[in-house]
Amino acid sequence: GAVVSQHPSRVICKSGTSVKIECRSLDFQATTMFWYRQFPKKSLMLMATSNEGSKATYEQGVEKDKFLINHASLTLSTLTVTSAHPEDSSFYICSAREWDSNEKLFFGSGTQLSVL
Amino acid sequence: GENVEQHPSTLSVQEGDSAVIKCTYSDSASNYFPWYKQELGKRPQLIIDIRSNVGEKKDQRIAVTLNKTAKHFSLHITETQPEDSAVYFCAASRGFGNEKLTFGTGTRLTIIP
Repeated sequence: GAVVSQHPSRVICKSGTSVKIECRSLDFQATTMFWYRQFPKKSLMLMATSNEGSKATYEQGVEKDKFLINHASLTLSTLTVTSAHPEDSSFYICSAREWDSNEKLFFGSGTQLSVL
Repeated sequence: GENVEQHPSTLSVQEGDSAVIKCTYSDSASNYFPWYKQELGKRPQLIIDIRSNVGEKKDQRIAVTLNKTAKHFSLHITETQPEDSAVYFCAASRGFGNEKLTFGTGTRLTIIP
């Protein structure tokens, strides 16, 4: 399957700081990427759909000014958690579609964010 | 929007026995149903998927069945092995061009040696 790289894998930050998470498709172009959030022992909740060259589409209840998404190229999408607070602590994970010919999605390795 | 329900939440089976996990969905326009396996702290791995024009698909010890009329689909793992222990998620989407996945709540599968 296709390879999706996500960095960093773990980040610890102080409350009020901003954190940027990168998601890269290594061997394919991804016009669309998805950002999910996962709480411990819970399911994956879609936060937003990241579209290359246009604004991201956010799910209901997700603050777009809090979670900034930039999809500047066909291989890179970034999620910035602005002014992070302890309640933002979670596992964030991105996914991308493999090829233009099917709908299979592959996931990055995830980022564990801990806000102190 | 789509709502995917998954049962059971936990499942323990003896090594060598079969495991079955069931999901239902609400959006009749959904036509793509993947299953993911996630180990602790790791990324979800796609293990099998099925499209709505197919009723059943098998890949070695793993099979998925789909009943589009009843809006439910199931994962079957035969001859279970300890390495099958993980959390399994079902998901649904409207397919190519609309790949937004809605996930089930997950099933923690434990294989007892």
